[in-house]
Amino acid sequence: EVQLVESGGGLVQPGGSLRLSCVASGFTFGTSWMTWVRQAPGKGLEWVANIKEDGGEIYYVDSVKGRFTISRDNAKNSLFLQMNSLRAEDTAVYYCARGVYAFDIWGQGTMVTVSS
Amino acid sequence: DIVMTQSPDSLTVSLGERATINCKSSQSVLYSSNNKNYLAWYQQKAGQPPKLLIHWASTRESGVPDRFSGSGSGTDFTLTISSLQAEDVAVYYCHQYYNTPRTFGQGTKVEI
Repeated sequence: EVQLVESGGGLVQPGGSLRLSCVASGFTFGTSWMTWVRQAPGKGLEWVANIKEDGGEIYYVDSVKGRFTISRDNAKNSLFLQMNSLRAEDTAVYYCARGVYAFDIWGQGTMVTVSS
Repeated sequence: DIVMTQSPDSLTVSLGERATINCKSSQSVLYSSNNKNYLAWYQQKAGQPPKLLIHWASTRESGVPDRFSGSGSGTDFTLTISSLQAEDVAVYYCHQYYNTPRTFGQGTKVEI
């Protein structure tokens, strides 16, 4: 079964850090661009970052540049998002998704809440 | 950044009737070298992740019912549900992947 499973979300204070993980199965992870998309409560979708198959190209939305780092471990079929200096406005469900163009596989998401 | 604007924000349609959602981009998402529109549509049901319905503006994803169709080119696009079913109640998003940052429309809520 083709699947993406996120983990690592939770409650964190402003200024804190979290590391999200996404484990892939059922497809060749190492030949797929991967993406993080977030959705604030009751709001729309926002693209956060993506990473090329070999990690050689990485892109971020301006609002997270310098604070978030996307990475991957192809040997473990895993995608990561290291989030530092978290702000209240980073509160959202974070989805990992496959693709650099349209996103054809999505995980169920992991909730990140930034609050004191 | 390319701004994606959907209309309407919400739509109430009777069962079996047609639903039409529009999406306008602030600049063209048609790549002239391959004549492809870098535009996708997603469906998101309550409590679920988004699901890809349409990519390249008009190519239906495998397994998506043929009542869903996409059309348009350049800056103006449409998602049509030809005969609305109860299971189509959801929020629909357009998405441009012409350049970075990737951007989404604000969503259109479809109700019965």
